[in-house]
Amino acid sequence: GQNIDQPTEMTATEGAIVQINCTYQTSGFNGLFWYQQHAGEAPTFLSYNVLDGLEEKGRFSSFLSRSKGYSYLLLKELQMKDSASYLCAVREWNAGNMLTFGGGTRLMVKP
Amino acid sequence: SAVISQKPSRDICQRGTSLTIQCQVDSQVTMMFWYRQQPGQSLTLIATANQGSEATYESGFVIDKFPISRPNLTFSTLTVSNMSPEDSSIYLCSAVDGSNQPQHFGDGTRLSIL
Repeated sequence: GQNIDQPTEMTATEGAIVQINCTYQTSGFNGLFWYQQHAGEAPTFLSYNVLDGLEEKGRFSSFLSRSKGYSYLLLKELQMKDSASYLCAVREWNAGNMLTFGGGTRLMVKP
Repeated sequence: SAVISQKPSRDICQRGTSLTIQCQVDSQVTMMFWYRQQPGQSLTLIATANQGSEATYESGFVIDKFPISRPNLTFSTLTVSNMSPEDSSIYLCSAVDGSNQPQHFGDGTRLSIL
C-alpha cells in the first residue's frame, strides 16, 4: 500500500515562487507524477520523475528524492491562472500503470 | 498525447436508476482506468478496464455496482448501478499508452443523484 501526503492548502503572491511538497511511502516505487486540476476541470499532466533529481519544464520544476520518499513541485513567476489544485501521484512497479493520488494541494495565488 | 472524450459531461439521476458513462480515446491505448472524485477530494481509482476481459477492481468497489466494459483498445464504459445520493461524484476516465507514459484524463462526468 501507499501513504501519500501533501499540504491541503497554500497561498502565494503573483510573481513569487511556491514549493508544494509531497511525501510518500511505498514498497515498490516506479515513478511520481504531478497533475494540475482547475476547479470543474480534469487533471492535466505536469511532470514525471522516476530518477532522483530535478526535472524542469518552463516555469514548473519537479524534484525527487527516492531515498527520502520526497518530491516537490516548484512553480516560478506565479500567475493568477496557476490557482488550482496540484495532485501528487505515485506509481508502483508491481501495479502496472496504476496511480495512487495524494489528497491534493489547493493553491491560491493572490495579486 | 491521446485525446479522451467522455459523455455525458453531467447528469442528474433518480435514486435506484443506472447510468452508463462512455469514454472514447482517439488512438489505441494500452490501459484505461476509471476514477471517482468526490466533492473537494482527490481521485480514487475504481478499476482498471481490461480489453477483452473483466475489469480489475480496487478495494471497496465491486462489479455489480460498477460494471465496466472495454470491447477494444479505444473505448470503455462505466455503469453506476442502482444509484443512491452517495454516488454523487465526478467520474473520470483515463488512458495511458506505454509503460513509462503519464495517464491522461477525460473531462469527467459530473453525476448528481436525487
